[in-house]
Amino acid sequence: EDQVTQSPEALRLQEGESSSLNCSYTVSGLRGLFWYRQDPGKGPEFLFTLYSAGEEKEKERLKATLTKKESFLHITAPKPEDSATYLCAVQPGSGQNFVFGPGTRLSVLP
Amino acid sequence: DSGVTQTPKHLITATGQRVTLRCSPRSGDLSVYWYQQSLDQGLQFLIQYYNGEERAKGNILERFSAQQFPDLHSELNLSSLELGDSALYFCASSRGDGSGNTIYFGEGSWLTVV
Repeated sequence: EDQVTQSPEALRLQEGESSSLNCSYTVSGLRGLFWYRQDPGKGPEFLFTLYSAGEEKEKERLKATLTKKESFLHITAPKPEDSATYLCAVQPGSGQNFVFGPGTRLSVLP
Repeated sequence: DSGVTQTPKHLITATGQRVTLRCSPRSGDLSVYWYQQSLDQGLQFLIQYYNGEERAKGNILERFSAQQFPDLHSELNLSSLELGDSALYFCASSRGDGSGNTIYFGEGSWLTVV
């Protein structure tokens, strides 16, 4: 069964304190791994797509990396506006369905 | 703004009733997906349509149904509503049939069943 887990479940950082979020997956083949940011009561906002191990993508203070078993979302010098839930999703090679992880709830304190 | 439009934004209805949620995908996108997100629950995939045809089915209850129309907008019909159906319902869309495509989400429809 295709599965996605994320850790930690929740993370509190001080402004400027860099850290990483983890997404571990077990899928039969991988068509893509996706990172989204979700604010409370809002729709998930697309951040990155990664397709193969070794790939990296960057956007402002965020950097996503991918290995064969997991992906990391690195947050460098976070600001309070980075507070949100970060969701990881994978698209297995067997079909079109996206499998979402439970998310990491990030709080950045000023 | 993702370009995916959902209506209504909020809906309060009674148990046993039926509601319809509407979604307009991004311009040029052929696939529409429906997801459910309950309090403290992750995103649960319900169903996908591609160019008017059902493409994939997830954990969608028999009381729920969906369709995609020729203009590519989609509707999710929820009937015989129960308290447990209260949730955020998201529509998402992608350019192709979903294979390797990024999916973009709307802002969701809040459904409260009382």
